[in-house]
Amino acid sequence: GAGVSQSPRYKVTKRGQDVALRCDPISGHVSLYWYRQALGQGPEFLTYFNYEAQQDKSGLPNDRFSAERPEGSISTLTIQRTEQRDSAMYRCASSLGGSRETQYFGPGTRLLVL
Amino acid sequence: GQQLNQSPQSMFIQEGEDVSMNCTSSSIFNTWLWYKQDPGEGPVLLIALYKAGELTSNGRLTAQFGITRKDSFLNISASIPSDVGIYFCAGHPSTGGGNKLTFGTGTQLKVEL
Repeated sequence: GAGVSQSPRYKVTKRGQDVALRCDPISGHVSLYWYRQALGQGPEFLTYFNYEAQQDKSGLPNDRFSAERPEGSISTLTIQRTEQRDSAMYRCASSLGGSRETQYFGPGTRLLVL
Repeated sequence: GQQLNQSPQSMFIQEGEDVSMNCTSSSIFNTWLWYKQDPGEGPVLLIALYKAGELTSNGRLTAQFGITRKDSFLNISASIPSDVGIYFCAGHPSTGGGNKLTFGTGTQLKVEL
């Protein structure tokens, strides 16, 4: 596709369930980023990859959150044992690589934990 | 996590008016970026600034990278209805940032016809 795609667009789950959020970056983009955006706030960094290597995971809130990008393209953000405070918009972005390259954002996955 | 301070939080202006918003940080940044987010969409980059003092324009938009490297402003001239949305500043901190972006809290712009 032309842009970053994310699936599902909306996810409603019960507390305690695991969820997996998928990001499909722009073809050829080296870097892939995950952000979380609470209502009325700007995106907050979670983690990022260059190719398949996770470069920085300092923004992951706790060990229930993990991410992978095994083949250097599609990435999955997994949240185990979800809690209500995990409810937010989860955004993925990709770039050609390097800090000066523009990050292109996807439409996000809205997660609601009941 | 850290978020940059943006002001104002929201603005309600008349079509044709000029708009100004700014962003401040307690620490030094190497780059300053301005994004716009429309409802149901992800942020889209408007302007990127890479040097202290740099002034850059993109159509009706003008942004500046503050001399202290701790602030930036965005001006929109002659606003039109499609300028409605949320504007975020963002940047790469000079220490410990790497490629990740730190975002501001956002300025919501509403334009009255």
